[in-house]
Amino acid sequence: AQSVTQLGSHVSVSEGALVLLRCNYSSSVPPYLFWYVQYPNQGLQLLLKYTSAATLVKGINGFEAEFKKSETSFHLTKPSAHMSDAAEYFCAVSDQAGTALIFGKGTTLSVSS
Amino acid sequence: GAVVSQHPSRVICKSGTSVKIECRSLDFQATTMFWYRQFPKQSLMLMATSNEGSKATYEQGVEKDKFLINHASLTLSTLTVTSAHPEDSSFYICSAHDRAHSGYTFGSGTRLTVV
Repeated sequence: AQSVTQLGSHVSVSEGALVLLRCNYSSSVPPYLFWYVQYPNQGLQLLLKYTSAATLVKGINGFEAEFKKSETSFHLTKPSAHMSDAAEYFCAVSDQAGTALIFGKGTTLSVSS
Repeated sequence: GAVVSQHPSRVICKSGTSVKIECRSLDFQATTMFWYRQFPKQSLMLMATSNEGSKATYEQGVEKDKFLINHASLTLSTLTVTSAHPEDSSFYICSAHDRAHSGYTFGSGTRLTVV
């Protein structure tokens, strides 16, 4: 069964600093990988997804993630954090298009001025 | 883009009553929808997978008689929490798979409080 592990339940950065949120996956088949952002009391917004095309995936709001099969990782990065990036971030995996997404425990990103 | 509308956004009900939550795909047909539950400051836990025209598939530990899921059309799935108790208070989120765009779209969630 597939799963994802998000290392670090809480990450704090200064405004303008690099954001790095870590996600490692476990899957017996080539996975579909996703990053979502959630603001308080709201649903989830897709940041980006990997579906076996390019290994470097660019998403919205300046975020990107690189799929590294050798490391079973799909870390999320952003070169320069904004205050508005403060939110909860979830990495998710599915082993087949159309099957349920399995989520990591989430990482809370705090951005200080 | 694909939009999923979830209603109500908030509901407060008395213990012992039932509550229905609706999830609609507005601009695409969703043959499969998913229902998740999220406790405060925790991740989303998959409750069930709902397929149009067939019975839902529930995850282990989820009471199917308590959480009734109906997916009678390609654009609507409902979750009914029957005989609700305070421990059912949670944030419920639906998701629909948009086959045309290989994506998953989420509703905005329903905050259920049972008093």
